[in-house]
Formats: sequence, C-alpha cells, structure tokens
Amino acid sequence: KQEVTQIPAALSVPEGENLVLNCSFTDSAIYNLQWFRQDPGKGLTSLLLIQSSQREQTSGRLNASLDKSSGRSTLYIAASQPGDSATYLCAVRLGSEKLVFGKGTKLTVNP
Amino acid sequence: GAGVSQSPRYKVAKRGQDVALRCDPISGHVSLFWYQQALGQGPEFLTYFQNEAQLDKSGLPSDRFFAERPEGSVSTLKIQRTQQEDSAVYLCASSLRATGEKNIQYFGAGTRLSVL
Repeated sequence: KQEVTQIPAALSVPEGENLVLNCSFTDSAIYNLQWFRQDPGKGLTSLLLIQSSQREQTSGRLNASLDKSSGRSTLYIAASQPGDSATYLCAVRLGSEKLVFGKGTKLTVNP
Repeated sequence: GAGVSQSPRYKVAKRGQDVALRCDPISGHVSLFWYQQALGQGPEFLTYFQNEAQLDKSGLPSDRFFAERPEGSVSTLKIQRTQQEDSAVYLCASSLRATGEKNIQYFGAGTRLSVL
C-alpha cells in the first residue's frame, strides 16, 4: 500500500526566508506527483505537477523536485511571503487515477 | 461553471440521519472524484467516475456510503445512518480527461459534515 509522509508537520519562518518542504513515498511506481496548497475553509489548489519522467518543475518562486528511485520530492519556496501561509499537501497519482495524499505541512510566514 | 461547486458548504446531522452531498464539476470534465478529509489529515480517496461509470469505489468505508453520477455531470455522495466517525470535509474534484499523465484534478471547496 502506497504511503506518503510529509516532514515537517508544521513550520514557522520569518518573511523573506527560503524554505524546503519534504515529501516521501513508499512505492516508486507512481504516475506523477503533485503539490497542492490548501487555505482554511477552501479546497485544494494545484501548484506543480511533476510527471514520472521529469526531475523538477518550476513556477514563479516555487520549485519542486522528484527522485522516484529514492521515493522523495521537495518543494522549495524562495523569498517566502505572509501570503504563502497555508497547508501544503503532496500527492502521488497511481495508475488508477486516484491520488494518495500526505498529511500536509502547515506553513506560517511571519511578517 | 468557473470551478467545481459543492453544496451545501456545511451540514450538521444527527446521528442516524441520511445526508446527500452534491458536486457540480467543471463543465465538460470527464472524470469526477470524491475524497474524505478528516481533521488534521490529508484527503483520502473514496470513489471515482468516468462519465457516468463508477470505475473505482475501493475507498468507500462502508456500505452506508453510496455515490452516483447518473448523467455524467453532477454527482451526489449519499451517507446513510450517519455516525460520528463520518464527520469530515468531503471534497469533490474533476479532471478534463479520462486519463493521462498531465491530467490535473481541480478541487471544490468541500462540504464540512458534522455528525452530532
């Protein structure tokens, strides 16, 4: 059974700091990996999708990497801002289309 | 519509009541998914439709849970005889294609169910 783990569970940083969120998964036979953002009381917003054949994806201040062989992904956020405060979820997609999520990392960026 | 719409946003039910949760996917999206998110946890897969066909219901926790998408658009998740452990946020997602490595799921805001 595929399991996804995210470390740390919570993170608090001062504004402007660069930070890394970690995600690990137990079965490397994934279709793709996605990073989502969840704001309180709202749904999930897809941030980056990395296909199984790719090593990384970038969007603005966000960069996500994927190492399938070791079962790891990282989300790098540059120059963090208070508006980045949210819960970040990592999810792997299996061949059946369904997503398997981690528990998330709750990020607080302090002004 | 502009996004995935779910209703109601909040539902309070007494234990033993039946509830029905509605999801309106993005127009033209072929695939529709239901997930359950307990407090402090990540979403967990419940079931998946491709048009009107329910292709995977392996995540439904018991036979009290039932989902349908009769015309391949709107979907309803029904929970019979609700229990306290059913309290969670129920998320619906839709995606444009039936499959594909770049097939992104777009999520609604969810329905928060509280069973008293």
